[in-house]
Amino acid sequence: AQSVTQPDIHITVSEGASLELRCNYSYGATPYLFWYVQSPGQGLQLLLKYFSGDTLVQGIKGFEAEFKRSQSSFNLRKPSVHWSDAAEYFCAVGPSGGGADGLTFGKGTHLIIQP
Amino acid sequence: DAGVIQSPRHEVTEMGQEVTLRCKPISGHNSLFWYRQTMMRGLELLIYFNNNVPIDDSGMPEDRFSAKMPNASFSTLKIQPSEPRDSAVYFCASSQIRGGYTFGSGTRLTVV
Repeated sequence: AQSVTQPDIHITVSEGASLELRCNYSYGATPYLFWYVQSPGQGLQLLLKYFSGDTLVQGIKGFEAEFKRSQSSFNLRKPSVHWSDAAEYFCAVGPSGGGADGLTFGKGTHLIIQP
Repeated sequence: DAGVIQSPRHEVTEMGQEVTLRCKPISGHNSLFWYRQTMMRGLELLIYFNNNVPIDDSGMPEDRFSAKMPNASFSTLKIQPSEPRDSAVYFCASSQIRGGYTFGSGTRLTVV
């Protein structure tokens, strides 16, 4: 069965500092990987996705993620965070080939930005 | 495109009452998903449809939960009878093959 682990429940970063959120997955085939962001009381917004090809993926709001098959990881990074980045971040894995099955989500990482 | 539209945004109901949540997917998306989000369990996939056909409902917690998709532009999730432990945020999402999954804003359900 597929699973996603986000080892950090909370992360606190100073505004302007760099950010890395960790994500490890377990999947029997080539995965389809996602990062979503959720602000309080809001739905989930897609930041970026990896389907195939270049393992470094660029997303919206200045985020990027790198797929490392050998480590079963898909970590999210941003070089300089802004106060507006404070939110809940979810990593998710879907079926290979981008098929029409549902996603499996991690438990999320709550990002706190210090002034 | 207006995105995935869910209604109502908030629902407060008494235990034992029937609750119906509604979802309009993005036009042209051929898959629709219902998720439930709670603090304890995170985001759980309840059921999903491909081309209006239910594919996997193994995530539906009990027989009190049912979902339908009568056409490509509408789906419902029904809970009958509702219980306090059903209180959660319910999300609908739609997708295309090799596309991103787009989520609605959710319905916050409170059962008292």
